[in-house]
Amino acid sequence: EAGVTQFPSHSVIEKGQTVTLRCDPISGHDNLYWYRRVMGKEIKFLLHFVKESKQDESGMPNNRFLAERTGGTYSTLKVQPAELEDSGVYFCASSQGAFFQETQYFGPGTRLLVL
Amino acid sequence: GENVEQHPSTLSVQEGDSAVIKCTYSDSASNYFPWYKQELGKRPQLIIDIRSNVGEKKDQRIAVTLNKTAKHFSLHITETQPEDSAVYFCAARGYSSASKIIFGSGTRLSIRP
Repeated sequence: EAGVTQFPSHSVIEKGQTVTLRCDPISGHDNLYWYRRVMGKEIKFLLHFVKESKQDESGMPNNRFLAERTGGTYSTLKVQPAELEDSGVYFCASSQGAFFQETQYFGPGTRLLVL
Repeated sequence: GENVEQHPSTLSVQEGDSAVIKCTYSDSASNYFPWYKQELGKRPQLIIDIRSNVGEKKDQRIAVTLNKTAKHFSLHITETQPEDSAVYFCAARGYSSASKIIFGSGTRLSIRP
């Protein structure tokens, strides 16, 4: 069974440009999460989808970030326009249920560098 | 807001020795505590977890302890091996399905040969 996949693995863009990150969860997992890790700091929650609906988007930094999960399968996270402080590693994770002890399976991350 | 403090940020131990990573959490409603290991260039993977109704859990060379009163939990790795070198993240989550996982800032563990 394939794990969570993310594309691209790396992205280097200039300030002001747009970047779209993609996450494909494990097949059958209704719950999809986005996280971000800024260098040396904690993995920080961004948002949680249940199927195509946003369950919790309280971690989204500002309105430059837009996440979608049309059809309840893969998800995209768009940053527009990108700022220097958006640099970091963006992780996606998925789980079958959302019960507190459900294991979240992480993707390999997308390393974003904004110059 | 809720947060999880993790110490130390880096840890170097001799192969064969033990390693201990400590975390504290602020939200008293937290009752699930997973630990993730991220090897260089790989994805974070769950290695062990503990629920609040349990004080200790072991799985081969790794163990976790939880002190709910003090809001402390720790990861213990015994007989460390080179493949234990990685970044370790502790985390805490509340009971509600709407509760977020709050991660610590990570500990980079290096095993010296």
